[in-house]
Amino acid sequence: SQQGEEDPQALSIQEGENATMNCSYKTSINNLQWYRQNSGRGLVHLILIRSNEREKHSGRLRVTLDTSKKSSSLLITASRAADTASYFCATDANQAGTALIFGKGTTLSVSS
Amino acid sequence: DTGVSQDPRHKITKRGQNVTFRCDPISEHNRLYWYRQTLGQGPEFLTYFQNEAQLEKSRLLSDRFSAERPKGSFSTLEIQRTEQGDSAMYLCASSSPGVLAGGTDTQYFGPGTRLTVL
Repeated sequence: SQQGEEDPQALSIQEGENATMNCSYKTSINNLQWYRQNSGRGLVHLILIRSNEREKHSGRLRVTLDTSKKSSSLLITASRAADTASYFCATDANQAGTALIFGKGTTLSVSS
Repeated sequence: DTGVSQDPRHKITKRGQNVTFRCDPISEHNRLYWYRQTLGQGPEFLTYFQNEAQLEKSRLLSDRFSAERPKGSFSTLEIQRTEQGDSAMYLCASSSPGVLAGGTDTQYFGPGTRLTVL
């Protein structure tokens, strides 16, 4: 079963704009991770945020986590055509070292 | 390249045939995971190894599926008597325990094996 739900399912923007994707989950977590997947390829790890963290940055990425609302957001600033991909949030169901539970993903399309 | 590798990248087979996929994790990682991903969906967990021990299996892993990690290094996933519903991308990931209690356990994924059952 899938715990996370990303919103929106699809997002189309112009290069240079910011893209925001949201993720909601159901159970307590240890950490939440965001992954990117280019069409038909494997997943690339973007960023991990622990349950005791509220915000984290990595380059053009900013992730927030609100454990009281069981939600997270991924912001990509100054988007580029190369950011075109599907983005997934994944949670660990409060147990390290076990399965990640993924949502269905947000498909981001950045046009030049 | 020291990432996770999977072989083959693509497999086309006829219904009823057996297939086997291989995953080589990042060398120092003792945890290895298999996931399945169908079109338009996120990956779904199949099974998890810590070293050579298979510690967790999903209900998705029917009796036709078997996974091994004989020496705690590479792993194989076999599907017997394939069905058209088995068509999917099979992803392997590996991780190592984090330093802090609870672990960060970032999972690093391979490129996947795309299976098509005709």
